[in-house]
Order: sequence, then structure tokens, then C-alpha cells
Amino acid sequence: GAGVSQSPSNKVTEKGKDVELRCDPISGHTALYWYRQRLGQGLEFLIYFQGNSAPDKSGLPSDRFSAERTGESVSTLTIQRTQQEDSAVYLCASSLYGTVTQYFGPGTRLTVL
Amino acid sequence: TQLLEQSPQFLSIQEGENLTVYCNSSSVFSSLQWYRQEPGEGPVLLVTVVTGGEVKKLKRLTFQFGDARKDSSLHITAAQPGDTGLYLCAGEKNTDKLIFGTGTRLQVFP
Repeated sequence: GAGVSQSPSNKVTEKGKDVELRCDPISGHTALYWYRQRLGQGLEFLIYFQGNSAPDKSGLPSDRFSAERTGESVSTLTIQRTQQEDSAVYLCASSLYGTVTQYFGPGTRLTVL
Repeated sequence: TQLLEQSPQFLSIQEGENLTVYCNSSSVFSSLQWYRQEPGEGPVLLVTVVTGGEVKKLKRLTFQFGDARKDSSLHITAAQPGDTGLYLCAGEKNTDKLIFGTGTRLQVFP
């Protein structure tokens, strides 16, 4: 079956512009996660959706970052007024309810000029 | 705050050598996972360990969970160029969230 997909694969934007990153999780996976990975580093948790529960936004670094999820499907991560320090790979992962194994998409590489 | 520290941060070795990567924390985890990430891709699960002292083997890779469930190690025997990648440990604390380690970047030269 299809894995987690993300789009776009690469995004170059100018400082101050808004960007939207999309994630399509594996069908049937109720949990969806967003992470940020700076060059050569580990994963920084951003936000977590589980079914219809209120999302865990504890990892969002500022109010410029927000995310939405439509039911148990597509999620969009929005970064407003992008800054150069937002440049990173943004990874999305999904998992089945009650399991800890996460399945990752290939990521979106964001470059803010 | 990074709860899981990995060492070494970088490792560059020749094909055939052995290596060990460490994942340490002051916190207790319900389970611990190891992922490998190759360039341009997302991390892929290698193994999950759930019992203190547990040892799991995956071909040339041996994973151990510490007795106190605060640390873990990954040992690779006779490393091959295909082992090259970023190795990430990730701990779980009875929630659905994983706490990822700082990562170890391994380069194996032929």
C-alpha cells in the first residue's frame, strides 16, 4: 500500500512569505506527527494529531507555526512570515492508534532566502 | 530540552570494522526504538525494545535496552557501505509521542 506522502518535496521562499506544507498519511492511521529536522541533526517534535482529540501543539516554536488536519486524513503545516531560521526539512509521520511505530514521509526541504 | 543524548555524533569507519552507538537518558522509557535515515528520505524503523536488559539481533545489528530502561546501544558487526546513514534512537513514555535522540551520523567507506 501507499506510504506517507508529502508535498512539495522542495520549497524555496523569500523571507516574510507564508508557506504551506502538505502531508498525506497512511490510510487508517489515526495519529499524525510533524517534525522539523535541521541539517544533520535529530528530529524536533512540532505537533501531534490523534483522531478527533485536540492536537498536542507543545512543540510549535512560535505562533507563526500552525497545523490543521482534516478528520483522519490530510494535514497542512503553515508557517507564516518565514524567517531564515525556519530553513529545515519538515517531516510528517503517521501511526496506528495505540502503537508507537511511526511511518515517515520523505520530507519537505524548506529553504528561506 | 533534549532528553536522549546519542554518542558519538559522527562516526567514519572502513568497511569490515565494528562499531557501537550509544543512546543515554536520565529518564525511564516504556520502550525504545531505533530508526535509520538515509539522505532524502524519512527515518525507517529498525527495532523496538521494551524490556529492561532485552537484546535483539537483526542480522549484523545488535540492539540492547539497559536494565533500568534509561539507555540503549546499537552494535554493528562488520560494517558495510550500505549501513551508512543517520541512526536515531527514540523513547516512548506511555504516550503516543516519541522523543528522538540527537542522532549519530555513520559513514562506512569501502
